[in-house]
Formats: sequence, structure tokens, C-alpha cells
Amino acid sequence: SQTIHQWPATLVQPVGSPLSLECTVEGTSNPNLYWYRQAAGRGLQLLFYSVGIGQISSEVPQNLSASRPQDRQFILSSKKLLLSDSGFYLCAWNRDSEETQYFGPGTRLLVL
Amino acid sequence: AQKVTQAQTEISVVEKEDVTLDCVYETRDTTYYLFWYKQPPSGELVFLIRRNSFDEQNEISGRYSWNFQKSTSSFNFTITASQVVDSAVYFCALLILTGGGNKLTFGTGTQLKVEL
Repeated sequence: SQTIHQWPATLVQPVGSPLSLECTVEGTSNPNLYWYRQAAGRGLQLLFYSVGIGQISSEVPQNLSASRPQDRQFILSSKKLLLSDSGFYLCAWNRDSEETQYFGPGTRLLVL
Repeated sequence: AQKVTQAQTEISVVEKEDVTLDCVYETRDTTYYLFWYKQPPSGELVFLIRRNSFDEQNEISGRYSWNFQKSTSSFNFTITASQVVDSAVYFCALLILTGGGNKLTFGTGTQLKVEL
């Protein structure tokens, strides 16, 4: 079976500090990978998606970037965090042949 | 552009009551998929159901049932005999296949509180 991991689970960072969130999928190969952010208003916003190694598509221009160094690894980064980067970050995956996305446990980020 | 509207921000019911969560979607595409996800307090989104635009058959899974009506662009979710464990935020989502990744459009969610 497939599982998706995210770490860290919780993170408190000062404004201006760098960020690196990691997402890893097990039990499948060549998944599509996604980063979403959920702000306090509960809506989910797609930030980035990737259909293969080194292939990143950005949905919303912002302070964040994403990378996919390995087939089942997806990284969300920032060089300098802003207060507005606070939120709940969710990683998701799906098989290219399927429509359903499966989500990880999420990372709660608080920027102070 | 696609849009999903969940007009009910919060619903409170007493255990064993039936409750319906509304979802209205907008799209010009004829092929699309609709989803419901549950987000318990832990935060993880749990997949509940997927429906494609060509399958209007209603579905029942235990206490859960879904009513898909293309004529009104709605995909409503009913929980029968609600339980405290059903307390969560429920999201409706719409998917249009674009050929490069599957981009889900989410509604803003409905917070369901089931009390004893």
C-alpha cells in the first residue's frame, strides 16, 4: 500500500528565516505530487505541482519555491519567511492514471 | 474558470440527527470529477468519494450518501444518524483534467459539529 509522509509536523520560525518542508511517498513510482496551503479561513490553495523529477509548476507567485530531487520526494522551500507564510501545508499525491489525490498529515507552520 | 461553493460555513447537530452538506459547482467542461474529503481535527484530509460527470447515480456507503444532480450542479453529502466522530470540516472539490497534473478546486469547507 502507499503512504505519504510529511515532516516536520509542526514548525515555529522567525520572520526572515529559511524554510524547508519535506514530503515523501512510499509504495508507488512516478506519482504526481502537490503542495497545498490552508490558511486560517480553511480554504485550500494549490501552490505547486510536479509530474516528474525536476518538473515543477507554480500556481501562485509568492515567497515559496518547490523542488523534486527524487521521484517520490517533494520539497517546499523559502529563503526568507514572511508572517503571511503561516498556515497548514499539505502534500498530496496521485497516480497519473487516477484522479483521486491522497493527502499527507500536513505541517503546521507558524511564522513569528 | 471553475468554482465550488459550500454555503454552509458551520452546522451543529445533535447526535443521531441526519445532516446534509451542500456543494454547488461551476464549470464549462463536460468532463469533470467531484470529490468529498473529511478533515478531522488532526488536519489530514481523508478521501471519501469521487464521482465523474457521466455517472449521476447516487451512492450510499454505510451512513454516508451522496446526491449528484447535474441539472442543478450540486453534489450534496448526507450523513444519517450522525455521531460525534463525524465532527470535522468537510470539503467538496472539483477536478478538471488539464493534461499536466490534476488541479483540484476546493470549496471553503463546512464545519460539522455533532454534539451529544
